Formats: sequence, structure tokens, C-alpha cells
Amino acid sequence: GAVVSQHPSRVICKSGTSVKIECRSLDFQATTMFWYRQFPKQSLMLMATSNEGSKATYEQGVEKDKFLINHASLTLSTLTVTSAHPEDSSFYICSAPSTGTSGPIEDQYFGPGTRLLVL
Amino acid sequence: AQKITQTQPGMFVQEKEAVTLDCTYDTSDQSYGLFWYKQPSSGEMIFLIYQGSYDEQNATEGRYSLNFQKARKSANLVISASQLGDSAMYFCAMPLGGSNYKLTFGKGTLLTVNP
Repeated sequence: GAVVSQHPSRVICKSGTSVKIECRSLDFQATTMFWYRQFPKQSLMLMATSNEGSKATYEQGVEKDKFLINHASLTLSTLTVTSAHPEDSSFYICSAPSTGTSGPIEDQYFGPGTRLLVL
Repeated sequence: AQKITQTQPGMFVQEKEAVTLDCTYDTSDQSYGLFWYKQPSSGEMIFLIYQGSYDEQNATEGRYSLNFQKARKSANLVISASQLGDSAMYFCAMPLGGSNYKLTFGKGTLLTVNP
């Protein structure tokens, strides 16, 4: 079946540094990917839609200058948390539909997530 | 705007018994879908089952079935013959609108299966 990977799976960084998280579709092309954030014991919240070859679309309340998204190829989207602070500590999960944006609604796959801890 | 409500923060069930996890939703869309995902402690989101609003039959996938009551706007997940490996967080979700794949999730229910 379709697989989505994320790297790194876990990262610890100092406050003020930037962290890049990669989301890859391993056996399919993904023109669109989605980034979610999940705080401990809470639900997933959609942050942004990553579009290959164009700018990302951010959900209301998400700072686009803080969470930089680049979808440089059909298999890779990156989320960079710039000048990270302890409140950015969270679980970041990406997802990608395997059949474009008009395929079966169930054909969406989630990455395993990245746990970010900012000290 | 779409909204998902899961009112059970935690549920306990004995191994081999059935359990129902509640989900109610609100949407103004005529056509929509409901998802259930399982999230073990490792964090990955595992797709369990999907129900479209115009599907006449309730969805079933192995031990998972969806008790879809459109008039009540509820889409409860039924897990039959619970197993220890079913212990996890369970999220109900639906598309946000504008895309079938942008999802809004409920707060989740932590299911614990007791031996």
C-alpha cells in the first residue's frame, strides 16, 4: 500500500533555532500534502495545505512566516519551524492523498509524525 | 462550518466484548463523509472506516462497523470482539470543505481494553 514517511521522527532543539521536517510519499506522487499539529492529549489541527509548485495555503491563525512550507517535488514537502520556541513543541503529522485531489476519499495516507521538543 | 464532537474522553472494555465510540457532527453540506482513525501510542494515524452521507448501508470493515444515523447526525464506531491491541486513541473526522482530504477531527476517545 501507499506509504508516507517523515524525517526526523523525533527532534530536540534549542529555543531560537529552526527545524526542518520532511514528508515524503514513497511510492506515489503527491501534488498536495497536508500538515497537522497535535498537542499532547489533544486532537489534530490542520495547519496548512502544501501544493507542489505553488505557495502553501495556511489555515486561519497559523503564522506563515513561522511555519515555512516548501513542496519542491511531487514526493516531498518540508515544514520548517523558524525561530522555534517551547510553545512550538508538538507532534507534527503530514498526510497525502495517493490519487490526486479527485480520487477515492479513503486514499489518503498519514506519515508517522515528528515529535518536536523545543528547550 | 463542519464540527465533530466526541463526548467520551475515555472508554474501558473487556477483551472480546463489543464497544461503541460516539461521534456526532454538524455540517451544512448535503454531501459529506465521516472517517474514523485509530492512533496508537506510537502516533501514526491508521484509517479504519469511512461512511459517505449518501451510502445506504452502514459501512463495515472487519471488526469495525459504523452506526450511521443521518437524522441524528451521529456516526458511532462499533468495535466487535475487542482485542488488547485495540487500546488506542480513536478520532472521528470529516472533510473541512473545499477538499475531501482536509480533515477536521474530534477530540478523540481513549479506548482501553482490559484483559
